[in-house]
Amino acid sequence: GIQVEQSPPDLILQEGANSTLRCNFSDSVNNLQWFHQNPWGQLINLFYIPSGTKQNGRLSATTVATERYSLLYISSSQTTDSGVYFCAVGAQKLVFGQGTRLTINP
Amino acid sequence: GAVVSQHPSRVICKSGTSVKIECRSLDFQATTMFWYRQFPKQSLMLMATSNEGSKATYEQGVEKDKFLINHASLTLSTLTVTSAHPEDSSFYICSASPGTGRFEQYFGPGTRLTVT
Repeated sequence: GIQVEQSPPDLILQEGANSTLRCNFSDSVNNLQWFHQNPWGQLINLFYIPSGTKQNGRLSATTVATERYSLLYISSSQTTDSGVYFCAVGAQKLVFGQGTRLTINP
Repeated sequence: GAVVSQHPSRVICKSGTSVKIECRSLDFQATTMFWYRQFPKQSLMLMATSNEGSKATYEQGVEKDKFLINHASLTLSTLTVTSAHPEDSSFYICSASPGTGRFEQYFGPGTRLTVT
């Protein structure tokens, strides 16, 4: 099955810093989604991005499908950005990476 | 748009009892719904895929007789944990996909099950 690797596993930053989260996957996919899991467990959809580049406010994402990776950029981090960020890939079924735990300190 | 609800948000039950969790797509029709399980500090693992009106497809290692899934309508899927045991305690999350040419999934808020 598809393998999904996220890096780094943990990231600690000061408020205002920028960050880049990476997702590598082992096979071609029709679906790639980025999520933020908040402290209550809710998965917040950030991007549906099987290919290309998208931006939403301080967040942007790029997927290079031919090279099987995706990047999530967070600029001007805020404490509310803290949490776990998951990349999930597949087609109808999604395989989740292990996540990146982001901590933004004031 | 694309809101998915789950009920209950948390439940505590005694060992040996059954628990039903509901997953509803509130503003779209979901041709496919998915059930995931998440243990503390771990990632989400897909348990099963259900299509409206047909039997669910379970992932390897998931007991279909223990985790009963019903997808009776295009907006409702239920997961019943039968004869629950403490090792079934977990965070259960559903998702729904409109399936209109896009594979995007929308996730519910999750149900925290504790079996005592």
